[in-house]
Amino acid sequence: AQKITQTQPGMFVQEKEAVTLDCTYDTSDQSYGLFWYKQPSSGEMIFLIYQGSYDEQNATEGRYSLNFQKARKSANLVISASQLGDSAMYFCAMREPSSGGSYIPTFGRGTSLIVHP
Amino acid sequence: DSGVTQTPKHLITATGQRVTLRCSPRSGDLSVYWYQQSLDQGLQFLIQYYNGEERAKGNILERFSAQQFPDLHSELNLSSLELGDSALYFCASSPSVAGGTDTQYFGPGTRLTVL
Repeated sequence: AQKITQTQPGMFVQEKEAVTLDCTYDTSDQSYGLFWYKQPSSGEMIFLIYQGSYDEQNATEGRYSLNFQKARKSANLVISASQLGDSAMYFCAMREPSSGGSYIPTFGRGTSLIVHP
Repeated sequence: DSGVTQTPKHLITATGQRVTLRCSPRSGDLSVYWYQQSLDQGLQFLIQYYNGEERAKGNILERFSAQQFPDLHSELNLSSLELGDSALYFCASSPSVAGGTDTQYFGPGTRLTVL
């Protein structure tokens, strides 16, 4: 079963508008971390935002916010005031505890966002 | 620039060959993670090292191995290469072993093409 599901393979948004990228996850652990990364066409992976499973407040980083709904196991990324430079692939990821005392990361398949002028 | 370096940037080789990919983590980071990104498999976690020791293993094939050296740089060795091993290989680093709340910073990747 997929641990991270991103149901939107592609999204389009008008410049300056807000967009929400969906992410649902599956875990039986109580302690886990949720992340979003951006991958522009140049290929590098850029960290955007982190949410811990025990954090009660939704994480925010500038124009990025994470809409965390624990009961629904959802961690949607909201980008406000989209810019042309936001056009990229966006990956949702989760880290769960492993038996070795570390964490195993799992990534979703990604959502391609295109921002129109 | 994340501070993580990877060499080489591109690598073209033939089936059956062996290659070594190199990663230097950000200054002060003790954990190194290796990932494989391909069109059909997406981004897959391969293996994690912390301060020289293997700490977590993902979907790493037996033909692949990694190590982390005393100076904290890491190498990923891929042997008996197959066409399906063609992918973008990322290294990421983070400060600690737990990684739960650590941000992982990714290197620029090594694009491997197996012909």
